[in-house]
Amino acid sequence: EAGVAQSPRYKIIEKRQSVAFWCNPISGHATLYWYQQILGQGPKLLIQFQNNGVVDDSQLPKDRFSAERLKGVDSTLKIQPAKLEDSAVYLCASSLTAGGDTQYFGPGTRLTVL
Amino acid sequence: QQQVKQSPQSLIVQKGGISIINCAYENTAFDYFPWYQQFPGKGPALLIAIRPDVSEKKEGRFTISFNKSAKQFSLHIMDSQPGDSATYFCAVPTRAGANSKLTFGKGITLSVRP
Repeated sequence: EAGVAQSPRYKIIEKRQSVAFWCNPISGHATLYWYQQILGQGPKLLIQFQNNGVVDDSQLPKDRFSAERLKGVDSTLKIQPAKLEDSAVYLCASSLTAGGDTQYFGPGTRLTVL
Repeated sequence: QQQVKQSPQSLIVQKGGISIINCAYENTAFDYFPWYQQFPGKGPALLIAIRPDVSEKKEGRFTISFNKSAKQFSLHIMDSQPGDSATYFCAVPTRAGANSKLTFGKGITLSVRP
């Protein structure tokens, strides 16, 4: 069974530029999550989708971050404009359903904002 | 906002020894209590999880002990091996059912010396 795929793996941008990350969850998984992991910290949930609907985006900085999950499969996370403090690893995870199902994480995208 | 605290901050253990990592949470939690393992450059992966209706769960060398009244749970790694060297995160779910989300601790770096 293929795991969660993410691209790119690494991205370096200047502050105020925009960037987008892509995630392909495990086939059949209805729930998709985007996490931000700052160095030395645990993952912090940014947004949770159930199929193509948003369940929780309470910690998403909506003035600069946006995410979508068209057709309830792939998802993209965008940052525009980026700030220095956005430097982190962005992890995508998926689970069969929400509420107690195992979350399977992708390898992440390491973003460096200069 | 759920608060999750892990201890110790880091741990060094000799090969064959027992590694013990603790996790404490503040607010009511639901569903299940997982430990995730993360190697450098990889996303976190579920190691072991426990439901709140049991006090202990063992899988091979890994054991979770859960104390619901104290709002604490711990991970015990028996016969620790160099391959266990990684960062370990506990996570606590908030809300029940389809809207459940995980709040992760900061993580503990375990080093197992040969």
